Amino acid sequence: QKEVEQDPGPLSVPEGAIVSLNCTYSNSAFQYFMWYRQYSRKGPELLMYTYSSGNKEDGRFTAQVDKSSKYISLFIRDSQPSDSATYLCAMSAGTGSARQLTFGSGTQLTVLP
Amino acid sequence: DGGITQSPKYLFRKEGQNVTLSCEQNLNHDAMYWYRQDPGQGLRLIYYSQIVNDFQKGDIAEGYSVSREKKESFPLTVTSAQKNPTAFYLCASSINQETQYFGPGTRLLVL
Repeated sequence: QKEVEQDPGPLSVPEGAIVSLNCTYSNSAFQYFMWYRQYSRKGPELLMYTYSSGNKEDGRFTAQVDKSSKYISLFIRDSQPSDSATYLCAMSAGTGSARQLTFGSGTQLTVLP
Repeated sequence: DGGITQSPKYLFRKEGQNVTLSCEQNLNHDAMYWYRQDPGQGLRLIYYSQIVNDFQKGDIAEGYSVSREKKESFPLTVTSAQKNPTAFYLCASSINQETQYFGPGTRLLVL
């Protein structure tokens, strides 16, 4: 079993829809959680960063962490065609050297105009 | 502009050849990382370095080597011992080791 599980999709939604992207994890030591967006043939860019449980909002994006269920989500409101990309969740235990990140395999999202 | 640069964008390797991928950052970040990305498999850590002249193996270090002689630079060599090198290689850096910022990537192809 992988430490981080992410539905690879692909996921297609119409423009303006609310998108929900999710990851589950098994390591209870994870306490830092990130979402990255990766356009085709580009490097990932950091979208959201959260620490511990709760919600964090940034514009159309909301990151949600439920540590009791070992479940994190990224919500995209009023989705746009420019949101079409692969979304990667990542997490870290925040201890030890270099605080290595463990990534999900990514969910491919297409927003149709 | 501050950022991470990787070169070349595309690299072709012949069988038995060693090739080196460049990664430079001007963000004054201490930690740097190399990942390999294959379709449907997410990112896998090859090597990482917290400070100059020190680096550690990641999950898939076999067939790769690195050096960290300068804070700004963390080159990755794909050796002939790496039998399946075709992949998208990503370099990242971090100042607080909680979040990492990525370069644009190098796509390595085998001739």
